[in-house]
Amino acid sequence: GQQVMQIPQYQHVQEGEDFTTYCNSSTTLSNIQWYKQRPGGHPVFLIQLVKSGEVKKQKRLTFQFGEAKKNSSLHITATQTTDVGTYFCAGLRDTGNQFYFGTGTSLTVIP
Amino acid sequence: DTGVSQNPRHKITKRGQNVTFRCDPISEHNRLYWYRQTLGQGPEFLTYFQNEAQLEKSRLLSDRFSAERPKGSFSTLEIQRTEQGDSAMYLCASSLATTVRGTDTQYFGPGTRLTVL
Repeated sequence: GQQVMQIPQYQHVQEGEDFTTYCNSSTTLSNIQWYKQRPGGHPVFLIQLVKSGEVKKQKRLTFQFGEAKKNSSLHITATQTTDVGTYFCAGLRDTGNQFYFGTGTSLTVIP
Repeated sequence: DTGVSQNPRHKITKRGQNVTFRCDPISEHNRLYWYRQTLGQGPEFLTYFQNEAQLEKSRLLSDRFSAERPKGSFSTLEIQRTEQGDSAMYLCASSLATTVRGTDTQYFGPGTRLTVL
């Protein structure tokens, strides 16, 4: 079953509003990756966070890794219709190479 | 197209039948992962290979599931005696192993959608 939880499960925003999805793990993670999956598509890698407290930005997207390395967030500023999709976090535990994907947050942007 | 390819894209089978899926990774990638994804859920890890060696296998994977990567290139995933609960999207991803554990970027294929009637 899922060991990495994400909230919210669904989010509807007006175009131009901000959006945030939160990822929480019950165990400490070695690193965390974020993926975007468009409707009917496959997951596409966005970014990876490795260090405690790390913050990375990609244009309007800001990714953060918690100090305890058990949670992460993705924030999108001024959403656009092209941001529509499901955003997944995927965490790697301290041993092994198995990534645990979160439950995902489905983003709908209303024009 | 040099991305990850999967065949077939769709498979409909009757309960109890065996099915086999194929994944062709990006040519220089030495790691290959199999995942299963059901509607509204994230991909669930099944197994992964580095070259031809199967290094990890999910404890959730029943004995009916087997995967191979005989020459370290393409991989097959076989499900024996399919059950309705096996209906899902089966995703393959490939990556190039890095020196730091878990930092490889996975590139996903389009998936094979299995429907068990």
